[in-house]
Amino acid sequence: EVQLVQSGAEVKKPGESLRISCKGSGYSFTSYWITWVRQMPGKGLEWIGRIDPSDSYTNYSPSFHGHVTISTDKSSGTAYLQWSSLEASDTAMYYCARHYPWDLVLVYWGQGTLVTVSP
Amino acid sequence: EIVMTQSPATLSVSPGERATLSCRASQSVSSNLAWYQQKPGQAPRLLIYGASTRATGIPARFSGSGSGTEFTLTISSLQSEDFAVYYCQQYNNWYTFGQGTKLEIK
Repeated sequence: EVQLVQSGAEVKKPGESLRISCKGSGYSFTSYWITWVRQMPGKGLEWIGRIDPSDSYTNYSPSFHGHVTISTDKSSGTAYLQWSSLEASDTAMYYCARHYPWDLVLVYWGQGTLVTVSP
Repeated sequence: EIVMTQSPATLSVSPGERATLSCRASQSVSSNLAWYQQKPGQAPRLLIYGASTRATGIPARFSGSGSGTEFTLTISSLQSEDFAVYYCQQYNNWYTFGQGTKLEIK
């Protein structure tokens, strides 16, 4: 069974750094891109970017490029989303997701990680 | 960037009735269009991909149609568990989501 299990909720202050994780299991981790999606409180879904775990090649939405970094650790089957300096506007739920073998649509989703940034 | 526009923002329908949700792309996305359902406190759930193919386990009352720039999600006979927020998403050029349609009980 394919599973994406994300790290727990985080409470941080503005300016702090943070890395959240998404661990894949039940499939070959390096065979599928991992995508990150943001959902601000009461708002819709926004694509942040994606990474190919086989070679760490990444693509970012222009809205997020330079503000976050996506990475992976192949040995542990884990993808990461990190910030070097959080802002209050980063407060949101963050989801990781994976696509079908035959299509790029996002079919498997993690449970989400809630990030709260407050002074 | 491809902009996805959903309408209406909120749709009020009675259980047992049909619901029709629309999604428009700012440029052609071919058939690379998906629909997701999201309930409070849950991750999105894939309903439809390739504009019209139901994902595994999705009931037949959900159907999708369209291609290019105009797409529709139809729920033929609303059940209580169908009241949720629905998002369309293009995956022809990276990913872009619509702003969502909230389907509420009339």
